Amino acid sequence: EVQLLESGGGLVQPGGSLRLSCAASGFTFSSYAMTWVRQVPGKGLEWVSVIYSGGSTTYYAESVKGRFTIFRDNSKNTLYLQMNSLRVEDTAVYYCAKDYSPIGGSGYVDYWGQGTLVTVSS
Amino acid sequence: DIVMTQSPGSLAVSLGERATINCKSSQSVLYASNNKNYLAWYQQKPGQPPKLLIYWASTRESGVPDRFSGSGSGTDFTLTISNLQAEDVAIYYCQQYYGTPPYTFGQGTKLEIK
Repeated sequence: EVQLLESGGGLVQPGGSLRLSCAASGFTFSSYAMTWVRQVPGKGLEWVSVIYSGGSTTYYAESVKGRFTIFRDNSKNTLYLQMNSLRVEDTAVYYCAKDYSPIGGSGYVDYWGQGTLVTVSS
Repeated sequence: DIVMTQSPGSLAVSLGERATINCKSSQSVLYASNNKNYLAWYQQKPGQPPKLLIYWASTRESGVPDRFSGSGSGTDFTLTISNLQAEDVAIYYCQQYYGTPPYTFGQGTKLEIK
C-alpha cells in the first residue's frame, strides 16, 4: 500500500525557514517523480514544485522560486521541501504527491499524503 | 504559465441527474505528436487530499466509477458526472501537465446536492 507521510509543518515567523519531509513507502520511491502541492485552508490547489526520480531535475512555481528548494534522499525514501524567506502568503497545507508513471515525470499524481500545515505569522 | 479557468465556481444538482464542469486552458494542452491532451481531473472531499479521477483528459483512473467521464480537446474540457450520487459532493479541480512545469490547477468547482 502506497503511503506518504508529511511532517515538519508548524508556526514560523515571516522571514523564517522550515523544512518539510515526506516519508514514502509501498512503492519504489527512487523510480518516481514527486510533487509538492499546497492549499490555503478553504481555497484551491497550487502546484509548488516537482523533482524527478534521480533528483537532479527540479521545477518550481514562480511564487516560490528562489526561496524554496525541493530535494530527495532515495536511500531514505524521503522527499523534502526547504522553505526559506517565508511569507504570510505561504501559509497553507502542504501535500506531497507521487507521480503516476515511473517513466520520467508524467505530471499528474495518483497518491497524496494527508498534508502538513505551515502557518507563517508574527 | 498556462492559466486554467473552471466554470461554474459552484453548482447544485439533484440526485440521479447529471453534473457538468468545464475547464478552459489559456493555451492548447494537446500535444500534436501523440494526439494526447495533458489534462487531469481531481476530486477533493472535505478534510481529505485530492483524488485522481481522470488523466489524458478522458482516461478514468482505476476504481473510478464509470459515471465519471472526461471529454474535450485543445483548450476546452468537460468533466461529466452522470447519475449523481450523494458521495459525489466535493470540489473538483482540473490540472494541466503540458510541457515543462509549472503544472497549474484550475480554481475548483464546488458540487453540491440540490
